[in-house]
Amino acid sequence: QQPVQSPQAVILREGEDAVINCSSSKALYSVHWYRQKHGEAPVFLMILLKGGEQKGHEKISASFNEKKQQSSLYLTASQLSYSGTYFCAPGYYGGSQGNLIFGKGTKLSVKP
Amino acid sequence: KAGVTQTPRYLIKTRGQQVTLSCSPISGHRSVSWYQQTPGQGLQFLFEYFSETQRNKGNFPGRFSGRQFSNSRSEMNVSTLELGDSALYLCASSDVGTSWADTQYFGPGTRLTVL
Repeated sequence: QQPVQSPQAVILREGEDAVINCSSSKALYSVHWYRQKHGEAPVFLMILLKGGEQKGHEKISASFNEKKQQSSLYLTASQLSYSGTYFCAPGYYGGSQGNLIFGKGTKLSVKP
Repeated sequence: KAGVTQTPRYLIKTRGQQVTLSCSPISGHRSVSWYQQTPGQGLQFLFEYFSETQRNKGNFPGRFSGRQFSNSRSEMNVSTLELGDSALYLCASSDVGTSWADTQYFGPGTRLTVL
Protein backbone atom coordinates (compact mmCIF):
# COMPACT_ATOMS: atom_id res chain seq x y z
CA GLN A 1 0.00 0.00 0.00
CA GLN A 2 3.03 2.26 -0.06
CA PRO A 3 2.39 5.09 -2.54
CA VAL A 4 4.71 5.63 -5.46
CA GLN A 5 6.31 9.03 -5.77
CA SER A 6 7.90 10.49 -8.86
CA PRO A 7 10.39 11.77 -9.65
CA GLN A 8 12.80 10.42 -7.05
CA ALA A 9 14.89 13.56 -7.26
CA VAL A 10 14.82 16.91 -9.00
CA ILE A 11 17.24 19.82 -9.22
CA LEU A 12 15.92 23.31 -9.86
CA ARG A 13 17.22 26.81 -10.16
CA GLU A 14 15.57 29.45 -8.03
CA GLY A 15 12.40 30.65 -9.65
CA GLU A 16 11.72 27.44 -11.56
CA ASP A 17 8.66 25.28 -11.08
CA ALA A 18 8.37 21.63 -10.09
CA VAL A 19 5.70 18.98 -9.89
CA ILE A 20 5.86 15.97 -7.59
CA ASN A 21 3.47 13.09 -8.16
CA CYS A 22 2.06 10.55 -5.74
CA SER A 23 0.17 7.48 -6.91
CA SER A 24 -1.81 4.96 -4.93
CA SER A 25 -3.02 1.48 -5.77
CA LYS A 26 -6.16 2.01 -3.71
CA ALA A 27 -8.98 4.54 -3.74
CA LEU A 28 -7.96 7.62 -1.82
CA TYR A 29 -9.89 9.60 0.72
CA SER A 30 -7.11 12.08 1.31
CA VAL A 31 -3.45 12.79 0.71
CA HIS A 32 -1.03 14.31 3.20
CA TRP A 33 2.09 16.11 2.06
CA TYR A 34 5.17 16.71 4.20
CA ARG A 35 8.59 18.23 3.66
CA GLN A 36 11.67 17.14 5.55
CA LYS A 37 14.94 19.02 5.57
CA HIS A 38 18.15 17.19 6.27
CA GLY A 39 18.50 16.33 9.94
CA GLU A 40 15.06 17.65 10.81
CA ALA A 41 11.62 16.19 11.34
CA PRO A 42 8.95 16.12 8.62
CA VAL A 43 6.89 19.28 8.52
CA PHE A 44 3.25 19.17 7.52
CA LEU A 45 2.49 21.06 4.31
CA MET A 46 -1.08 20.23 3.48
CA ILE A 47 -3.82 17.68 3.42
CA LEU A 48 -6.17 17.28 0.49
CA LEU A 49 -9.53 15.73 1.22
CA LYS A 50 -11.91 13.93 -1.08
CA GLY A 51 -14.40 16.46 -2.27
CA GLY A 52 -11.81 19.11 -2.93
CA GLU A 53 -11.25 20.69 0.44
CA GLN A 54 -7.61 21.57 0.93
CA LYS A 55 -6.00 22.55 4.20
CA GLY A 56 -2.45 23.73 4.54
CA HIS A 57 0.30 25.72 2.98
CA GLU A 58 -0.14 29.10 1.27
CA LYS A 59 2.67 29.08 -1.26
CA ILE A 60 2.52 25.49 -2.41
CA SER A 61 -0.51 23.98 -4.09
CA ALA A 62 -1.66 20.49 -4.85
CA SER A 63 -4.27 18.60 -6.78
CA PHE A 64 -6.14 15.43 -6.01
CA ASN A 65 -7.43 13.20 -8.77
CA GLU A 66 -9.73 10.62 -7.25
CA LYS A 67 -10.26 8.69 -10.46
CA LYS A 68 -6.55 8.31 -11.11
CA GLN A 69 -5.88 7.71 -7.42
CA GLN A 70 -3.11 10.24 -7.43
CA SER A 71 -2.08 13.62 -6.15
CA SER A 72 0.38 16.17 -7.45
CA LEU A 73 2.24 18.83 -5.51
CA TYR A 74 3.05 22.04 -7.37
CA LEU A 75 5.93 24.25 -6.31
CA THR A 76 5.99 27.46 -8.29
CA ALA A 77 8.73 30.08 -8.38
CA SER A 78 10.86 27.87 -6.16
CA GLN A 79 12.98 29.36 -3.42
CA LEU A 80 16.12 28.01 -1.78
CA SER A 81 14.02 27.23 1.28
CA TYR A 82 11.99 24.72 -0.74
CA SER A 83 14.92 22.31 -0.75
CA GLY A 84 14.27 19.09 1.09
CA THR A 85 12.61 15.73 0.70
CA TYR A 86 8.89 15.71 0.02
CA PHE A 87 6.74 12.84 1.21
CA CYS A 88 3.18 11.99 0.44
CA ALA A 89 1.01 9.78 2.62
CA PRO A 90 -2.38 8.65 1.35
CA GLY A 91 -5.35 8.42 3.65
CA TYR A 92 -7.73 5.53 3.06
CA TYR A 93 -11.21 5.84 4.49
CA GLY A 94 -11.56 3.42 7.35
CA GLY A 95 -7.84 2.85 7.33
CA SER A 96 -5.81 2.01 10.38
CA GLN A 97 -5.70 4.60 13.11
CA GLY A 98 -2.68 6.81 13.43
CA ASN A 99 -0.77 5.05 10.71
CA LEU A 100 0.39 7.12 7.80
CA ILE A 101 2.12 5.09 5.09
CA PHE A 102 4.70 7.34 3.52
CA GLY A 103 6.15 7.17 0.05
CA LYS A 104 9.90 6.92 -0.39
CA GLY A 105 10.13 10.64 -0.95
CA THR A 106 11.21 13.06 -3.66
CA LYS A 107 14.42 14.93 -3.02
CA LEU A 108 14.21 18.50 -4.24
CA SER A 109 17.32 20.65 -4.52
CA VAL A 110 16.99 24.33 -5.37
CA LYS A 111 20.19 26.02 -6.50
CA PRO A 112 20.86 29.76 -6.63
CA LYS B 1 0.41 26.28 21.00
CA ALA B 2 3.63 24.57 21.76
CA GLY B 3 4.64 21.88 19.31
CA VAL B 4 5.46 18.25 19.87
CA THR B 5 8.47 17.73 22.08
CA GLN B 6 10.70 14.70 22.30
CA THR B 7 13.42 13.85 24.75
CA PRO B 8 16.22 13.13 24.60
CA ARG B 9 17.26 14.47 21.21
CA TYR B 10 20.31 12.23 20.94
CA LEU B 11 21.22 8.92 22.48
CA ILE B 12 24.17 6.62 22.17
CA LYS B 13 23.76 3.09 23.50
CA THR B 14 25.51 -0.23 23.14
CA ARG B 15 24.07 -3.49 21.92
CA GLY B 16 21.99 -5.31 24.50
CA GLN B 17 21.02 -2.22 26.43
CA GLN B 18 17.53 -0.82 26.58
CA VAL B 19 16.30 2.70 25.94
CA THR B 20 13.22 4.79 26.73
CA LEU B 21 12.17 7.72 24.58
CA SER B 22 9.60 10.30 25.56
CA CYS B 23 7.10 12.34 23.59
CA SER B 24 4.80 15.14 24.68
CA PRO B 25 2.07 15.86 22.14
CA ILE B 26 0.50 19.17 21.27
CA SER B 27 -1.86 20.27 24.01
CA GLY B 28 -5.29 18.81 23.42
CA HIS B 29 -4.12 16.09 21.08
CA ARG B 30 -5.01 12.61 22.22
CA SER B 31 -3.34 10.45 19.59
CA VAL B 32 0.38 9.78 19.51
CA SER B 33 2.02 7.77 16.73
CA TRP B 34 5.61 6.58 16.67
CA TYR B 35 7.73 6.10 13.56
CA GLN B 36 11.20 4.84 12.84
CA GLN B 37 13.14 6.49 10.04
CA THR B 38 16.23 4.97 8.45
CA PRO B 39 17.92 5.72 5.12
CA GLY B 40 17.17 2.24 3.83
CA GLN B 41 13.59 1.71 5.00
CA GLY B 42 12.28 5.26 5.13
CA LEU B 43 9.51 6.18 7.53
CA GLN B 44 7.95 3.14 9.15
CA PHE B 45 5.06 3.08 11.56
CA LEU B 46 5.71 1.55 14.98
CA PHE B 47 2.47 2.03 16.94
CA GLU B 48 -0.25 4.46 17.86
CA TYR B 49 -1.81 5.28 21.21
CA PHE B 50 -5.08 6.97 21.98
CA SER B 51 -6.51 7.49 25.45
CA GLU B 52 -3.82 5.29 26.97
CA THR B 53 -4.66 2.39 24.66
CA GLN B 54 -2.58 1.00 21.85
CA ARG B 55 -4.90 0.99 18.88
CA ASN B 56 -2.54 0.05 16.14
CA LYS B 57 0.83 -1.59 15.77
CA GLY B 58 3.27 -1.85 12.91
CA ASN B 59 5.42 -4.75 11.90
CA PHE B 60 8.16 -4.53 14.49
CA PRO B 61 9.41 -7.14 16.96
CA GLY B 62 8.17 -7.26 20.52
CA ARG B 63 11.35 -5.54 21.70
CA PHE B 64 9.61 -2.33 20.70
CA SER B 65 6.91 -1.30 23.11
CA GLY B 66 5.19 1.83 24.23
CA ARG B 67 2.65 3.34 26.51
CA GLN B 68 0.62 6.47 26.94
CA PHE B 69 -0.22 8.29 30.10
CA SER B 70 -3.42 10.02 31.13
CA ASN B 71 -2.00 13.39 30.06
CA SER B 72 -1.39 11.94 26.57
CA ARG B 73 2.37 11.92 26.96
CA SER B 74 3.85 8.79 25.50
CA GLU B 75 6.97 6.73 25.89
CA MET B 76 8.47 4.07 23.74
CA ASN B 77 10.91 1.47 24.91
CA VAL B 78 13.35 -0.64 22.98
CA SER B 79 14.89 -3.53 24.82
CA THR B 80 17.95 -5.58 23.91
CA LEU B 81 19.17 -3.03 21.40
CA GLU B 82 20.60 -4.21 18.09
CA LEU B 83 22.84 -2.33 15.68
CA GLY B 84 19.92 -2.13 13.24
CA ASP B 85 17.90 -0.13 15.73
CA SER B 86 20.03 2.91 14.99
CA ALA B 87 17.57 5.37 13.54
CA LEU B 88 15.68 8.59 13.97
CA TYR B 89 12.62 7.93 16.11
CA LEU B 90 9.79 10.33 15.51
CA CYS B 91 6.59 10.81 17.34
CA ALA B 92 3.62 12.56 15.83
CA SER B 93 0.54 13.88 17.54
CA SER B 94 -2.91 14.42 16.17
CA ASP B 95 -6.31 15.20 17.54
CA VAL B 96 -7.91 11.79 17.27
CA GLY B 97 -5.60 9.86 14.98
CA THR B 98 -8.00 9.36 12.10
CA SER B 99 -5.34 8.76 9.49
CA TRP B 100 -7.51 9.68 6.53
CA ALA B 101 -8.64 13.07 7.80
CA ASP B 102 -6.54 14.11 10.75
CA THR B 103 -3.19 15.87 10.49
CA GLN B 104 -0.16 14.47 12.27
CA TYR B 105 2.41 16.91 13.57
CA PHE B 106 5.89 15.56 14.13
CA GLY B 107 8.28 16.21 16.94
CA PRO B 108 12.00 16.88 16.31
CA GLY B 109 12.86 13.23 16.81
CA THR B 110 15.34 11.29 18.88
CA ARG B 111 18.47 10.19 17.08
CA LEU B 112 19.47 6.79 18.50
CA THR B 113 22.87 5.35 17.75
CA VAL B 114 23.60 1.77 18.80
CA LEU B 115 27.27 0.81 18.99
